[in-house]
Amino acid sequence: AQTVTQSQPEMSVQEAETVTLSCTYDTSESDYYLFWYKQPPSRQMILVIRQEAYKQQNATENRFSVNFQKAAKSFSLKISDSQLGDAAMYFCAYRSLRTGTASKLTFGTGTRLQVTL
Amino acid sequence: NAGVTQTPKFRILKIGQSMTLQCTQDMNHNYMYWYRQDPGMGLKLIYYSVGAGITDKGEVPNGYNVSRSTTEDFPLRLELAAPSQTSVYFCASSQRGQGNYNEQFFGPGTRLTVL
Repeated sequence: AQTVTQSQPEMSVQEAETVTLSCTYDTSESDYYLFWYKQPPSRQMILVIRQEAYKQQNATENRFSVNFQKAAKSFSLKISDSQLGDAAMYFCAYRSLRTGTASKLTFGTGTRLQVTL
Repeated sequence: NAGVTQTPKFRILKIGQSMTLQCTQDMNHNYMYWYRQDPGMGLKLIYYSVGAGITDKGEVPNGYNVSRSTTEDFPLRLELAAPSQTSVYFCASSQRGQGNYNEQFFGPGTRLTVL
C-alpha cells in the first residue's frame, strides 16, 4: 500500500515571501499522479496543483509550483509571493494508475500554513 | 451544476444512535467516495463505488455501510454511533478513466459529533 508523509505539521511565512512544503511518498509503482490540495477554514477541499509521474517537467500553476523528484519519492510545493489567502491546511495526495484502484486518493496528514504580515 | 452536495452540514448524535449522511452529485460521475477527516489529520477512505450497484471498502470501513442505487446518490450509514466516529465526513466524485486524469470533486463536508 502507498503511504504519503508530510513531516511539517505547521509552517509560517511572511506575506510576499516564498515557502516550501514537503511531501514524501512510498510506492512500488512507476505510473501515478501526485496532488496538492488546499483546505481553508471553510473546509472545502481545493485542488492546487497536480503532477503526472511520467512527466519530468515540474508542474506550475501561477504562484504555485512543485519540485518532483521521482527517484527520491519527493514532491514539495513552493508558494511564491505568499498572500494572506494562502493560509490553510495543505495536503499532499497520491493516486495510483493501476487498474482496479478506482482513482482513490491517499492523503498525507497535512501542513498548516500561517501567513503573517 | 451544483457539483457534490452533502447533507446535513452539522449533526450531533448520542452514542448508539444511527444516521445517514447524504451525498449527491450532478456531474454524472461513475466514481464516488466517502472520506473521514479526524482533527489535525488527513482524509481516510471509508468506502467507494465505481458505479450504481457496486461498492467496496476503503481503509477504515468498520461501523459504516453504503449503498449506490443510482449514479447520483451515495449515502453513508452509521449504525450504533460511537465517539470514535466523531469526525468531518467528505463525499467526493470523479469520472471513470483509470489512465486519464479525472479530478476528484469534493463536497463541503459534514461535521459529526458523537456524545
